[in-house]
Amino acid sequence: AQSVTQLGSHVSVSEGALVLLRCNYSSSVPPYLFWYVQYPNQGLQLLLKYTSAATLVKGINGFEAEFKKSETSFHLTKPSAHMSDAAEYFCAVRSGTASKLTFGTGTRLQVTL
Amino acid sequence: EPEVTQTPSHQVTQMGQEVILRCVPISNHLYFYWYRQILGQKVEFLVSFYNNEISEKSEIFDDQFSVERPDGSNFTLKIRSTKLEDSAMYFCASMVDRGSTDTQYFGPGTRLTVL
Repeated sequence: AQSVTQLGSHVSVSEGALVLLRCNYSSSVPPYLFWYVQYPNQGLQLLLKYTSAATLVKGINGFEAEFKKSETSFHLTKPSAHMSDAAEYFCAVRSGTASKLTFGTGTRLQVTL
Repeated sequence: EPEVTQTPSHQVTQMGQEVILRCVPISNHLYFYWYRQILGQKVEFLVSFYNNEISEKSEIFDDQFSVERPDGSNFTLKIRSTKLEDSAMYFCASMVDRGSTDTQYFGPGTRLTVL
């Protein structure tokens, strides 16, 4: 079975500050990991994905995530937050031959002036 | 850029009524999915569909639910007799193949409200 835990349902940062959104996974086989972003009244947009190549993955809008097998983590970071980053962020896992995604509960990012 | 589209954006129905949610996946994609998100909860997998048949389904996807690809472009989710607890945002997704690097692309969702 596969699962994802996102610590912190709400995160608030100041504009220009570091963004860190946490994701830990559980998988019985090597996982594929994804971060999706959801802006208000929109669908889920892929930010980045880990598919067993480089452990540091760069995505769109300046976001990146590092796969750490020893910590079973895939935390999302951005060096400097922008107001436009305010959204809901979902971590998801695929593992084995299953193609379905298992999502975390999401983290709402608020960016303040 | 190709995108997944869904109609309607919001559907209100009475308990016990049938609803059909519609999706148009990206044209060259082969795998299709439905997920749902109850307000305040996580996005949950419902069903995956490939080669005109269900390839995987969750415990949520009981006999009240069905999926169909009636033509070469649409992918539908039918709920036969809606319950209050079916109220949720329903997302359609499609994927070109199921290789490790392949991405599921999501539509904007249909908000279903059951009264």
